[in-house]
Amino acid sequence: AQSVAQPEDQVNVAEGNPLTVKCTYSVSGNPYLFWYVQYPNRGLQFLLKYITGDNLVKGSYGFEAEFNKSQTSFHLKKPSALVSDSALYFCAVRDSGTGTASKLTFGTGTRLQVTL
Amino acid sequence: DTAVSQTPKYLVTQMGNDKSIKCEQNLGHDTMYWYKQDSKKFLKIMFSYNNKELIINETVPNRFSPKSPDKAHLNLHINSLELGDSAVYFCASSQAGTGGRTEAFFGQGTRLTVV
Repeated sequence: AQSVAQPEDQVNVAEGNPLTVKCTYSVSGNPYLFWYVQYPNRGLQFLLKYITGDNLVKGSYGFEAEFNKSQTSFHLKKPSALVSDSALYFCAVRDSGTGTASKLTFGTGTRLQVTL
Repeated sequence: DTAVSQTPKYLVTQMGNDKSIKCEQNLGHDTMYWYKQDSKKFLKIMFSYNNKELIINETVPNRFSPKSPDKAHLNLHINSLELGDSAVYFCASSQAGTGGRTEAFFGQGTRLTVV
């Protein structure tokens, strides 16, 4: 079974500082990895994904994530946080070998709080 | 145009009632999903359909019955609603034909409150 762990319920960072939101995963095959953001009372918005190739992927709003196969991690990063980045962030994994039965399994979410 | 749209956005109903949530996607995707987000914000897949065929059913009570009249629509009907069904239900779609490489697009959610 595939799973995702987000070890931090909340991350607090000052505006202008770098941020990291942690994610580790477990799948039997090769992983497809995704980050989503959820603003209050809104649906999930896609930020970025890792499928194959370069371990550093860049996404929307200045976010990036680094895939580390040996550590089975896919941490989300941003060099300079903004107050408007405050939201709930979800990491998700999909097993590449499951075809149409492929499903996204989400972590428990990490609330990012950026303060002035 | 909204890519994945759900109706209604809010639904308040009494225990024991039957209700439906509708979902439509205009992205041309072949796969649609229902996810449930509980009060702790945990997201769990309920069902997925690929080209109108049920692919995933994650041990959801049979009071929940999805129906896909065509690959652009996936509705969720819930019978005999219980207090524990209160949650936010998200519809999503993706293109499974690429082997799962494409991201899923989510609707805005339906907040169901059972009283």
